Amino acid sequence: EIVMTQSPATLSVSPGERATLSCRASQSINSNLAWYQQKPGQAPRLLIYGASTRATGIPARFSGSGSGTEFTLTISSLQSEDFAVYYCQQYNNWPLTFGGGTKVEIK
Amino acid sequence: QVQLQESGPGLVKPSETLSLTCTVSGGSVSSGSYYWSWIRQPPGKGLEWIGYIYSSGSTNYNPSLKSRVTISLDTSKNLFSLKLSSVTAADTAVYFCARDWIYGYGRYIFDYWGQGTLVTVSS
Repeated sequence: EIVMTQSPATLSVSPGERATLSCRASQSINSNLAWYQQKPGQAPRLLIYGASTRATGIPARFSGSGSGTEFTLTISSLQSEDFAVYYCQQYNNWPLTFGGGTKVEIK
Repeated sequence: QVQLQESGPGLVKPSETLSLTCTVSGGSVSSGSYYWSWIRQPPGKGLEWIGYIYSSGSTNYNPSLKSRVTISLDTSKNLFSLKLSSVTAADTAVYFCARDWIYGYGRYIFDYWGQGTLVTVSS
């Protein structure tokens, strides 16, 4: 099983600032990585797939990069609605696995 | 617009079988472009993929749960179901159903999710 490790666990950011979230895979997953946003009491929402492709309707301030084992999600200018928990997920190997999440909170 | 809706008991006794249903609207579970998955999230914790079913009826389960999981499909009612046997308190979680879009060979992502349903295992 591929282990996905996200850092930091919590990120404190002021509105308007940039947020950079990291995700590391225990072995190469090529570019088979997705990012999801989850708000309290809601289901996760797909943001990025293929490591860098934004899903339909996702604002351009969200961007993804990386391949192999190291990946990054960048939110260029945090809006109030972006404060949430973010999960990465690999789909290169079965079973599909998720990272433990990064909580982006208001500084 | 595709919508998924979970339903089933919110309380299950230890050692019994958890049963949930996911009803799909705005799309067909018979489509060959998707897997139909179950994912769970213990309170305050991360996400765990349980397994999927394809339109052909083929399944794939997480090895950590494989011995206790059955996912089935009812194309006439456009729904799929989860059964998890011999439950313990560790199975207490929000259970989500999700559509797994096959956008390329070996490439699949969860593009639509149900809102989730909390299942508590307790006597």
